[in-house]
Amino acid sequence: KNEVEQSPQNLTAQEGEFITINCSYSVGISALHWLQQHPGGGIVSLFMLSSGKKKHGRLIATINIQEKHSSLHITASHPRDSAVYICAVPLRAQKLVFGQGTRLTINP
Amino acid sequence: SAVISQKPSRDICQRGTSLTIQCQVDSQVTMMFWYRQQPGQSLTLIATANQGSEATYESGFVIDKFPISRPNLTFSTLTVSNMSPEDSSIYLCSVGPGEAFFGQGTRLTVV
Repeated sequence: KNEVEQSPQNLTAQEGEFITINCSYSVGISALHWLQQHPGGGIVSLFMLSSGKKKHGRLIATINIQEKHSSLHITASHPRDSAVYICAVPLRAQKLVFGQGTRLTINP
Repeated sequence: SAVISQKPSRDICQRGTSLTIQCQVDSQVTMMFWYRQQPGQSLTLIATANQGSEATYESGFVIDKFPISRPNLTFSTLTVSNMSPEDSSIYLCSVGPGEAFFGQGTRLTVV
């Protein structure tokens, strides 16, 4: 079993829909990262959170430390949100362990 | 936040040759990491680049295949040696500890 599990693996939605991506982890952590990877390969850090909720524009990330679960939400989704979203947690000397990624496609 | 410049952004190489990827950070960082992302897969850590000492490699990765340099606290290189088509991947550098800032990635195709 992977230490970090994401769901769904693939998600297709229509523009304007509310999107939720989930991430569960099996070990104690100090923080969790949400990352965005575009087709060119570059990765952008969206959030680092250790408790509660963070919001940036149309993106919201929440974490429940007790339940070892985090969610990434996108409100009013847009085709430019199409990307792979990855959650990652630091383990073992601060090395990051990654979920499998969620490939999001937003159709106009 | 750290700004990381990685180059080249992409390359097509002949099998048997080597490619060196560079990663420049705009501030001094303690740890730099090199990752490989094979097609359709998540990121796998290759090694941790340590300033002033040899890199620390993860299981399945060896120095002869992936030599790494870390001459100072802002710069590192990864060389992919004696390449084969199986080395076709995206290679990314990132910084730490505790951060999740990445370079733009190097998309390598070996033919």
